[in-house]
Amino acid sequence: QVTLKESGPGILQPSQTLSLTCTFSGFSLSTYGMGVGWIRQPSGKGLEWLANIWWDDDKYYNPSLKNRLTISKDTSNNQAFLKITNVDTADTATYYCARIRLTGSSFDYWGQGVMVTVSS
Amino acid sequence: DIQMTQSPASLSASLEEIVTITCQASQNIGNWLAWYQQKPGKSPQLLIYGTTSLADGVPSRFSGSRSGTQYSLKISRLQVEDIGIYYCQQASSTPTFGGGTKLELK
Repeated sequence: QVTLKESGPGILQPSQTLSLTCTFSGFSLSTYGMGVGWIRQPSGKGLEWLANIWWDDDKYYNPSLKNRLTISKDTSNNQAFLKITNVDTADTATYYCARIRLTGSSFDYWGQGVMVTVSS
Repeated sequence: DIQMTQSPASLSASLEEIVTITCQASQNIGNWLAWYQQKPGKSPQLLIYGTTSLADGVPSRFSGSRSGTQYSLKISRLQVEDIGIYYCQQASSTPTFGGGTKLELK
């Protein structure tokens, strides 16, 4: 049974760095073809893909945010991480992590999401 | 970036009605297209991947198709539990999502 759960600071101030953790079970990020992605959704708006990390440590970023994003993983502890530097109010959103597989390249399991508010 | 233009933005339909949502890709993405359903207050759920393949547990009234760079999601007989927002996502390159279609009951 695949599960994912996001955790984060809840609220932070503009210019700070947002650190998010995705803790998952039911699969391994050391298995060929497995990956974890981060997607966010401002309240009442659509989905925006942020970054993917793969079993072989390949990383891909949304070009419009690339300079601010860092994705990483801890395979032994079944966790993936996302850092966003220099946040502002536009980064206020629910952040999801999701499993992605090489076959299909779609997000087949999603976490419940974690709400992050950027406010002074 | 590959742009995904989804239509309509909102849709009102009756129970048992056939519903079709479309996504237009800005360039060729082959069959690298997925559809998601998001119910209020919930995470998105994968419905269809690879343009036509149903995800595990998805009812057979959902189907996907393609004509060139236009992709469609069809619900053959709308049920109450199908109400929500639907998103397409291309997986040919770095992922992008369509803007969403809000499906309501008439």
